[in-house]
Amino acid sequence: GQQLNQSPQSMFIQEGEDVSMNCTSSSIFNTWLWYKQDPGEGPVLLIALYKAGELTSNGRLTAQFGTTRKDSFLNISASIPSDVGIYFCAGHPFSGTGNQFYFGTGTSLTVIP
Amino acid sequence: EAQVTQNPRYLITVTGKKLTVTCSQNMNHEYMSWYRQDPGLGLRQIYYSMNVEVTDKGDVPEGYKVSRKEKRNFPLILESPSPNQTSLYFCASSIRQGGGSRYGYTFGSGTRLTVV
Repeated sequence: GQQLNQSPQSMFIQEGEDVSMNCTSSSIFNTWLWYKQDPGEGPVLLIALYKAGELTSNGRLTAQFGTTRKDSFLNISASIPSDVGIYFCAGHPFSGTGNQFYFGTGTSLTVIP
Repeated sequence: EAQVTQNPRYLITVTGKKLTVTCSQNMNHEYMSWYRQDPGLGLRQIYYSMNVEVTDKGDVPEGYKVSRKEKRNFPLILESPSPNQTSLYFCASSIRQGGGSRYGYTFGSGTRLTVV
């Protein structure tokens, strides 16, 4: 299957700091999604991106669809303890069919109060 | 409330004893899928279904079966579970849009399976 490289694998930050993570693919994608998974729960959609260069915000979260269409970025500003969790990127290949999405391996975020 | 419901949340079983994990969605979604989540490997797709009676293999289908007799239900069947199927399983559903999807998935809360 399609491989998505997500980095960093884990982050330990102080409350109030900003966070950046990214996801890259080997092929062109036409949709990028960012999910957050709280401990013991399923992933929940945070932001969806549909065209190259698109920049979308959801509160303190901002995500961008890379101009090459092979990458995406997620930023969290002024982190708070409830930001703790695993963040996944997911992408739909341009050549894909139906609803096939591929997921990154996740970025585990720990926020130290 | 729109949701994907999986049962059970936790399951411990022995090698070789057939089991079924149920998944049901109340959003009239056409597309449903099963994923397993393992440390360092992220979410890997097991099987998916584009509609009733239409199923197909994902990236890691070995040892699993599925069925889609009704739109709302998509059970995952392990005919003869083995320890390497110990994992966290997620069911997901979404609206299907022909030629490519502009929508993400709604996930269930997960089933943690341990095979001893």
